Amino acid sequence: GQNIDQPTEMTATEGAIVQINCTYQTSGFNGLFWYQQHAGEAPTFLSYNVLDGLEEKGRFSSFLSRSKGYSYLLLKELQMKDSASYLCAARINAGNNRKLIWGLGTSLAVNP
Amino acid sequence: DAMVIQNPRYQVTQFGKPVTLSCSQTLNHNVMYWYQQKSSQAPKLLFHYYDKDFNNEADTPDNFQSRRPNTSFCFLDIRSPGLGDAAMYLCATSRGVSEQFFGPGTRLTVL
Repeated sequence: GQNIDQPTEMTATEGAIVQINCTYQTSGFNGLFWYQQHAGEAPTFLSYNVLDGLEEKGRFSSFLSRSKGYSYLLLKELQMKDSASYLCAARINAGNNRKLIWGLGTSLAVNP
Repeated sequence: DAMVIQNPRYQVTQFGKPVTLSCSQTLNHNVMYWYQQKSSQAPKLLFHYYDKDFNNEADTPDNFQSRRPNTSFCFLDIRSPGLGDAAMYLCATSRGVSEQFFGPGTRLTVL
């Protein structure tokens, strides 16, 4: 089956660094996405990894290890507005199409 | 600004009364998706259009139908809403298999 695991909740302090882990067991893996979702709003795209290694984009970085089925999202210099749910999604080949398998999300609370 | 628009943002319907949710996009993306998301759950893909090709998820109930009359518009029809269909419905678009851009969602309440 297709499965994605990520922690349910995390707490961090403003200005700190936090790492949100995601492990996946999928067949036909074709890339890993991270999305941010504030309460009551739609997900917004943060990052995409298809090759092993680290992708840096401002305060946010994402890492992928395909051999380990593992990714993480690194948030630096945390701000209060970073309090949100962070969704990990694996893109897989499904027949003639590709689709996303979503994790349940990690709810991050940033405290002053 | 190019974007994904969903109307209405909030929809209240009665048990069993058909409802249609709409999505439009100015991104000129060829793929459009409909997701259902319930509280504290991951988005659940209902179906998607790759260009004109309709792709239904195996576990999407027959109660849910979709139409895509042109590139810019896509509709979700719920023929007989039940209490369990109350959720946020998210429309998303992508260019091919690249990242998906989401609309603000329509929150459906079933009375």
